[in-house]
Amino acid sequence: DTAVSQTPKYLVTQMGNDKSIKCEQNLGHDTMYWYKQDSKKFLKIMFSYNNKELIINETVPNRFSPKSPDKAHLNLHINSLELGDSAVYFCASSDRGLAQYFGPGTRLTVT
Amino acid sequence: GQQLNQSPQSMFIQEGEDVSMNCTSSSIFNTWLWYKQDPGEGPVLLIALYKAGELTSNGRLTAQFGITRKDSFLNISASIPSDVGIYFCVGQLGGSSNTGKLIFGQGTTLQVKP
Repeated sequence: DTAVSQTPKYLVTQMGNDKSIKCEQNLGHDTMYWYKQDSKKFLKIMFSYNNKELIINETVPNRFSPKSPDKAHLNLHINSLELGDSAVYFCASSDRGLAQYFGPGTRLTVT
Repeated sequence: GQQLNQSPQSMFIQEGEDVSMNCTSSSIFNTWLWYKQDPGEGPVLLIALYKAGELTSNGRLTAQFGITRKDSFLNISASIPSDVGIYFCVGQLGGSSNTGKLIFGQGTTLQVKP
């Protein structure tokens, strides 16, 4: 069984479009995260939700809006996509903020 | 902001050799984690360290949480080709305002020659 899953795996879109990435975890964890990995493989946290409440919101353009309909899901919606948004986006989850388990990633390419 | 300095940036070794990599920071962390990322995959947790001075092993991997809480190292013994990947050290901050926030090192890319 997949612990943390993301869809889609690949997303190619044009500048200015709006897109969403979905994340689901079946680990029963109470906290979920979104990370961005750039072309140099550097990973940086974007958002964190605990029991559907936003607890970490790093300096991210407000074109990025996370939504957590329930504890097991954390989706990322991106408006007006820009070239610089191209990256791999990882969802992760943890139990009480302890060690995090990552999804397989979504490679976003903006053309 | 908090930063982790991970070294070396890359390593190219012969199968069977031992490997060592480390992370240092000017900040104190409550937890140190080591992750491995294979190409096209998400990072996978290898070892978690929760106490200063703690030394933990996972098979051929051994990691330690530095006494000062500002550093950690990872050793891989008798490397094999499947050890290839990017290894990340990760510091986790404490405090309610930083629940679960991970700070990633820049990564060590390991290549193993059979």
